[in-house]
Amino acid sequence: DAGVTQSPTHLIKTRGQHVTLRCSPISGHKSVSWYQQVLGQGPQFIFQYYEKEERGRGNFPDRFSARQFPNYSSELNVNALLLGDSALYLCASSLWTGLEQPQHFGDGTRLSIL
Amino acid sequence: TQLLEQSPQFLSIQEGENLTVYCNSSSVFSSLQWYRQEPGEGPVLLVTVVTGGEVKKLKRLTFQFGDARKDSSLHITAAQPGDTGLYLCAGAPRGTSYGKLTFGQGTILTVHP
Repeated sequence: DAGVTQSPTHLIKTRGQHVTLRCSPISGHKSVSWYQQVLGQGPQFIFQYYEKEERGRGNFPDRFSARQFPNYSSELNVNALLLGDSALYLCASSLWTGLEQPQHFGDGTRLSIL
Repeated sequence: TQLLEQSPQFLSIQEGENLTVYCNSSSVFSSLQWYRQEPGEGPVLLVTVVTGGEVKKLKRLTFQFGDARKDSSLHITAAQPGDTGLYLCAGAPRGTSYGKLTFGQGTILTVHP
């Protein structure tokens, strides 16, 4: 079975631009979460979506938004990019939102802001 | 201030040595998870510990959850170069209603042949 797939794998943008990152969960998984991982640190929670509804939001500005589609895939959008948004963006899927649910991570999108 | 503090941040050892990585918090966690992440890849779940005092073994890796469910440790016996990677602990503080994981800052382990 295919794991969590993310696209693109790498992306270079300039300050002020916007970006859309995409995630396809493992088949049968209905929950998708997004994390930001800055070099040298652990991932930080951005959003969780379940059944197309936002179920949780981390401490990120409104420039960050996301949505989940009927096929459970998800997009993360970031507007007005800042240098500090340079990071690895990880998507994780799980069957549902429960804390006991193991989360399966994709290999991430490496976003570089110039 | 990190909700989950990992120590040490860096560990460089020779093949065959033993090591322990610690994950501490002042908060009580419903469960804690340990992940390993290799360069260019996403974190891979190693284990979830749920019960205070629980010990789980995965080949040469031993995971322990503190009695008060505020801390955890990962012990590796006879480390091998293939164990090299970033080790992350993660969990959700008790009372969290959805699957938001809080991660420690990670321990970078390098095992030299």
